[in-house]
Amino acid sequence: AQTVTQSQPEMSVQEAETVTLSCTYDTSESDYYLFWYKQPPSRQMILVIRQEAYKQQNATENRFSVNFQKAAKSFSLKISDSQLGDAAMYFCAYRKNYGGATNKLIFGTGTLLAVQP
Amino acid sequence: SAVISQKPSRDICQRGTSLTIQCQVDSQVTMMFWYRQQPGQSLTLIATANQGSEATYESGFVIDKFPISRPNLTFSTLTVSNMSPEDSSIYLCSVVSRGVQRAFFGQGTRLTVV
Repeated sequence: AQTVTQSQPEMSVQEAETVTLSCTYDTSESDYYLFWYKQPPSRQMILVIRQEAYKQQNATENRFSVNFQKAAKSFSLKISDSQLGDAAMYFCAYRKNYGGATNKLIFGTGTLLAVQP
Repeated sequence: SAVISQKPSRDICQRGTSLTIQCQVDSQVTMMFWYRQQPGQSLTLIATANQGSEATYESGFVIDKFPISRPNLTFSTLTVSNMSPEDSSIYLCSVVSRGVQRAFFGQGTRLTVV
């Protein structure tokens, strides 16, 4: 069975600084997707960034980038120039690609990010 | 993208009663899922809502406790039956559109059972 592990329950960063959130996963599949979701106090789950396993290039979305190490099954999220609005719970998630959209998301336990002014 | 309306946003219910949560999407979607997020915890999939047929439940969740309907491609309901305080959680609807490899989430329903 696939599992997703986030070993940092809480992290803190100063405004304008850079922070990296860790995520590891376990799977025997070779074709899958990895995601980082943000959940602010409003509860709305917001997709931050997505990585396709067969793409070697790390995904980037503005201030957010990932370090995808497929052999090590590691998928960390780097937030640059942190802003107060980045404060939220961050979830790493996995979904295998076999069967397309019918596959469920498997979530890690989350990392609560605090941004200090 | 898909816009999801989930109702109610929150409710406080008496134990032993039932609550039905609605999820309405502004476009036809391939898959609809229901998740539970217990206090301070991650999201756990309850079931996949299948159009016109019985939902597919994950291990630990049963239809008698969490009946689900999906009469068409844009609407689904989740009922939490015979509630106990242990059912106090956030319940989230999620959808995936055909050809789009990302999931969209509703704003969640915060349920408190007293």
